[in-house]
Amino acid sequence: GQQVMQIPQYQHVQEGEDFTTYCNSSTTLSNIQWYKQRPGGHPVFLIQLVKSGEVKKQKRLTFQFGEAKKNSSLHITATQTTDVGTYFCAGPHNAGKSTFGDGTTLTVKP
Amino acid sequence: DGGITQSPKYLFRKEGQNVTLSCEQNLNHDAMYWYRQDPGQGLRLIYYSQIVNDFQKGDIAEGYSVSREKKESFPLTVTSAQKNPTAFYLCASSIREGGFYNEQFFGPGTRLTVL
Repeated sequence: GQQVMQIPQYQHVQEGEDFTTYCNSSTTLSNIQWYKQRPGGHPVFLIQLVKSGEVKKQKRLTFQFGEAKKNSSLHITATQTTDVGTYFCAGPHNAGKSTFGDGTTLTVKP
Repeated sequence: DGGITQSPKYLFRKEGQNVTLSCEQNLNHDAMYWYRQDPGQGLRLIYYSQIVNDFQKGDIAEGYSVSREKKESFPLTVTSAQKNPTAFYLCASSIREGGFYNEQFFGPGTRLTVL
């Protein structure tokens, strides 16, 4: 079945440092979604990317979809303590289901 | 308020007992999903349903059962056949538009502990 790999599994940063998580697939993805799960909470949708080479920004978060539509990344500029949590990529969401990566857990030291 | 609810938040059961987890949504979403999450792990799909009275097995369906008698409800039963049922269970829903499914909305989850 389709697999979506995410790296790194864990990332510890000092507040103010940047953070990036990567999502890779062996097959071409029609779309990819990103979610954030705060500690003790549930996943919350952040964004969906559809087009090859697409770049979208949400304040300090930058999402990219690779030209070949096989990889994606989430970059956070100048992390804050509110950014802590686990970031998941998922995709593609068709045939009624999607495949989630294992997530990258971000901790931020004040 | 529109949303997806799960109850209870915490659930304790003795080994060998079946237990049913509730999931209700008033978002008028077509599709509903059940995921299992173990500590420090990702989301693994148990069952999903695209339409009322129809559902499909996910990646880890063994030891679980579901029903979809109403569009709003998708209860999950954890049976005694599930060998390691202690986990965090998440329900989600999404709407279908133009043949594609949009983002998934997750409920707050149920933490099941089997003693």
